[in-house]
Amino acid sequence: LAKTTQPISMDSYEGQEVNITCSHNNIATNDYITWYQQFPSQGPRFIIQGYKTKVTNEVASLFIPADRKSSTLSLPRVSLSDTAVYYCLVGDMSGTGANNLFFGTGTRLTVIP
Amino acid sequence: GAGVSQSPSNKVTEKGKDVELRCDPISGHTALYWYRQRLGQGLEFLIYFQGNSAPDKSGLPSDRFSAERTGESVSTLTIQRTQQEDSAVYLCASSLRRGRNEQFFGPGTRLTVL
Repeated sequence: LAKTTQPISMDSYEGQEVNITCSHNNIATNDYITWYQQFPSQGPRFIIQGYKTKVTNEVASLFIPADRKSSTLSLPRVSLSDTAVYYCLVGDMSGTGANNLFFGTGTRLTVIP
Repeated sequence: GAGVSQSPSNKVTEKGKDVELRCDPISGHTALYWYRQRLGQGLEFLIYFQGNSAPDKSGLPSDRFSAERTGESVSTLTIQRTQQEDSAVYLCASSLRRGRNEQFFGPGTRLTVL
């Protein structure tokens, strides 16, 4: 069972780039890496997903080294509205594994004016 | 289109009572998940449905918890003889199928057991 480890909390000033790293030392060959964002009193929302190297969308970038034992979510120029909890999940792309069901405690990002 | 909906949004009950929480997934999504989130904590997986397959109940914390799903539509999570430690937000999510597909979450039901 691939488990993930993330920092409990991070603070950043507005306009800065924020990098949140997730460790997943036991990641399996079929596992994808997915990040979700959760605002208070709301359900989590999908941000980005990747398998290896780098993935970029309009919201964030995801960096995955060759060994895939960690991944880094990068948020460019954060604003106050990016204050949220960010969850890293590692899950079986085939859909038969259980790993993608474990969100963990996430990283609480606080953006400071 | 419509997203995942849950009802009620809030439920206050007395210890020992039974409660039913409802989830309406996105139409066409074959996978449905229930999670529990205690105040200030992460999400705990409870149960998962995929089409007509037997549900994955590995996350249910006790036999007081059960869930049903009618085909690929509505799901009901039932908690019998509620305890104060059951107080939490119960989140439902659906996805096209299990695996790498994005999960879409509902707004949750906040359960308070007095």
